[in-house]
Amino acid sequence: GAVVSQHPSWVICKSGTSVKIECRSLDFQATTMFWYRQFPKQSLMLMATSNEGSKATYEQGVEKDKFLINHASLTLSTLTVTSAHPEDSSFYICSTRNSGNTIYFGEGSWLTVV
Amino acid sequence: KQEVTQIPAALSVPEGENLVLNCSFTDSAIYNLQWFRQDPGKGLTSLLLIQSSQREQTSGRLNASLDKSSGRSTLYIAASQPGDSATYLCAVLNQAGTALIFGKGTTLSVSS
Repeated sequence: GAVVSQHPSWVICKSGTSVKIECRSLDFQATTMFWYRQFPKQSLMLMATSNEGSKATYEQGVEKDKFLINHASLTLSTLTVTSAHPEDSSFYICSTRNSGNTIYFGEGSWLTVV
Repeated sequence: KQEVTQIPAALSVPEGENLVLNCSFTDSAIYNLQWFRQDPGKGLTSLLLIQSSQREQTSGRLNASLDKSSGRSTLYIAASQPGDSATYLCAVLNQAGTALIFGKGTTLSVSS
């Protein structure tokens, strides 16, 4: 069964609105979760590392005020795309890492901003 | 900065052929390397994970090798099937376990 659950799988939103994506670790407590973005025909790019109980670490070029990450519990991290624009349309995927450093991915979320 | 390169970018083969996908990385200080499969419109499926101390891993028709010193990994697919058509991604986890860096993938098409 799934180790990481990501929701929603598909979302369409209007330009200027905000969208929240949830990532849940089902099998173990995840102190660290990773958020990735993938544009068409591009590789997965790490956006930020989410740490439970502390601020997320963002990669260079990723706007922390636009992509709000909250990791309030050991099993849940959320990514909120604020004031979304069409160029934010992308595939967003989260992952967790267990104590053995095996990475598990969520199913991903396809965001379309119209 | 770690960079991961996958060659070829795309590959088309007839059903039944054996094939090799290549992955190279610039920094050999890795914790592990994983191969993933991505189907169109879907998330990632982990295929094989090789720890830095290992040389290869096998699962069914898949065999992945790792030569950490030369920064290379290969994914061998035996007796390819149309259902193997997908994009295959390799990714390396740094030693601290804080960053998973992906290649751009190899898109495989197996024709019947």
